[in-house]
Amino acid sequence: AQSVSQHNHHVILSEAASLELGCNYSYGGTVNLFWYVQYPGQHLQLLLKYFSGDPLVKGIKGFEAEFIKSKFSFNLRKPSVQWSDTAEYFCAVKPGFQKLVFGTGTRLLVSP
Amino acid sequence: NAGVTQTPKFQVLKTGQSMTLQCAQDMNHNSMYWYRQDPGMGLRLIYYSASEGTTDKGEVPNGYNVSRLNKREFSLRLESAAPSQTSVYFCASSDHPEAFFGQGTRLTVV
Repeated sequence: AQSVSQHNHHVILSEAASLELGCNYSYGGTVNLFWYVQYPGQHLQLLLKYFSGDPLVKGIKGFEAEFIKSKFSFNLRKPSVQWSDTAEYFCAVKPGFQKLVFGTGTRLLVSP
Repeated sequence: NAGVTQTPKFQVLKTGQSMTLQCAQDMNHNSMYWYRQDPGMGLRLIYYSASEGTTDKGEVPNGYNVSRLNKREFSLRLESAAPSQTSVYFCASSDHPEAFFGQGTRLTVV
């Protein structure tokens, strides 16, 4: 069965630091890739998505992610985080027309 | 455009009680999902419905039943609630490949 791994469970950064959250998946065929964000007390919101084309995807709020097919990875990056980026981040994979599968999430705390 | 609407937002149950979580979407999506979110475990799929009238088990279906009576609505039922079912439940809908989520239901079983 397909799986999604997020290796960083908790990340603590100071404002203006750079961010990279890892995401790896196990499915070998065509995949659709997502990063969702959940701010405290809120539901999940789509941050960015990759379907096809340019493997470097730009999302909202200055986030981007790079799809590296050979490494089965879709890491999330932001050059300079803000206090308001404090949230939980989920990587998700949808292989073809199959079910959407989530990673276990990464809690990011940005200190002012 | 309401998107995905879940009711109730909060619920406290006693062990052994039953209840149904309701979910409705107005985006004409075929696929709908029920997930539970627990600390350190991410979102785990309970049940999935690819289209009206069809349902499939997800990763953690035990103790739950679902019903997809029409395209809009996908309900989740707990027949006999257990403390292990204390969680936040999210409904989602999708028309390939992006999914949209409801606001969640925080359920506590005491």
